[in-house]
Amino acid sequence: GQNIDQPTEMTATEGAIVQINCTYQTSGFNGLFWYQQHAGEAPTFLSYNVLDGLEEKGRFSSFLSRSKGYSYLLLKELQMKDSASYLCAVRDITDSWGKLQFGAGTQVVVTP
Amino acid sequence: DTAVSQTPKYLVTQMGNDKSIKCEQNLGHDTMYWYKQDSKKFLKIMFSYNNKELIINETVPNRFSPKSPDKAHLNLHINSLELGDSAVYFCASSQGDDPETQYFGPGTRLLVL
Repeated sequence: GQNIDQPTEMTATEGAIVQINCTYQTSGFNGLFWYQQHAGEAPTFLSYNVLDGLEEKGRFSSFLSRSKGYSYLLLKELQMKDSASYLCAVRDITDSWGKLQFGAGTQVVVTP
Repeated sequence: DTAVSQTPKYLVTQMGNDKSIKCEQNLGHDTMYWYKQDSKKFLKIMFSYNNKELIINETVPNRFSPKSPDKAHLNLHINSLELGDSAVYFCASSQGDDPETQYFGPGTRLLVL
């Protein structure tokens, strides 16, 4: 199984940068996903990493280090609409294909 | 152009009742999932079907029974509802290709009184 840890809450100012860390332990790492979930809504896919390095998608970037069991999601030029919970999810090759283990989520609060 | 839809969106019921939640996806995906998100916002997989066959069956009470009449539909029936079943239930679907990104429905908010 996996242990997935991420901070409970982070607060940042509009226009700033926030980095959300996620650490995990797996038997056979096979990919890490980041999802965004606004209050009362469904999680929506943000990014996927399976190889070490940085994946950039506009204002959002995700980094992975498999040797360290570590990922981060970087949110740049924060906007009020970025206030949401950010979920880190890991796939393990020893699990059924498609099965994701989610972290508890990091609530990001963007202030004016 | 809804991708993954669920009905009902809200469900309030008494303890001991039996209820069903329905899910449909029009993305042509092969795999569908049921997740439970509790009050602490922790999202946990319950079941998964691939082309109508059960492939993931986590440790959930056998009061919960999924049914997939075809690969576009996955329903969840819950018998003898308990207070602890109160949660948001999300359906999701994915295609059988890497990385198999999952797309979530809007959720069904179940409250057991």
